[in-house]
Amino acid sequence: DQQVKQNSPSLSVQEGRISILNCDYTNSMFDYFLWYKKYPAEGPTFLISISSIKDKNEDGRFTVFLNKSAKHLSLHIVPSQPGDSAVYFCAASAHGDYKLSFGAGTTVTVRA
Amino acid sequence: GAGVSQSPSNKVTEKGKDVELRCDPISGHTALYWYRQSLGQGLEFLIYFQGNSAPDKSGLPSDRFSAERTGGSVSTLTIQRTQQEDSAVYLCASSWDGSQPQHFGDGTRLSIL
Repeated sequence: DQQVKQNSPSLSVQEGRISILNCDYTNSMFDYFLWYKKYPAEGPTFLISISSIKDKNEDGRFTVFLNKSAKHLSLHIVPSQPGDSAVYFCAASAHGDYKLSFGAGTTVTVRA
Repeated sequence: GAGVSQSPSNKVTEKGKDVELRCDPISGHTALYWYRQSLGQGLEFLIYFQGNSAPDKSGLPSDRFSAERTGGSVSTLTIQRTQQEDSAVYLCASSWDGSQPQHFGDGTRLSIL
């Protein structure tokens, strides 16, 4: 039973434009959410996170939005750069639980 | 600084053989996790170690899988009598005291022929 879902397997965006990645979850106990970025043959790298007490967290070109009522979060990348081409994973954990539940990932391709 | 180190980076073996995968966490991280990623899937939790506590083995898919962590540092994941469905990338992560975020190694790509 997949508790974290990334329904778009891929996204293509032009360099300089905004990339929007979406993630939905079903477990109402989740209270901490993370985005990881993964290049081929490398491990996932932590990108940005958000706690359920917030609805937005920003770090440079990356912003994560959380809509708890809809059980939905999104990652915005502005402006998109060629180096952003990678697989992005959404992950979530419940309070006091160390395990992360991951989505299947979205492959982002930034076109020049 | 040194990140999470995993070895080997690639392993090809015949069905029925045993394999050992190694993980060296970030120095000072007391929590260590194993995940696996099958083709086209997200990461699947396997096992968690925290300090001297009993590990959480709830994610291990069968009794052919086992893991240990010696001296609170290096961990070894062992798969006995490998099957073709064991083919995946096995990822290790570590963190401070079970908190987030977890920091991942580059994984071991396991292929069972």
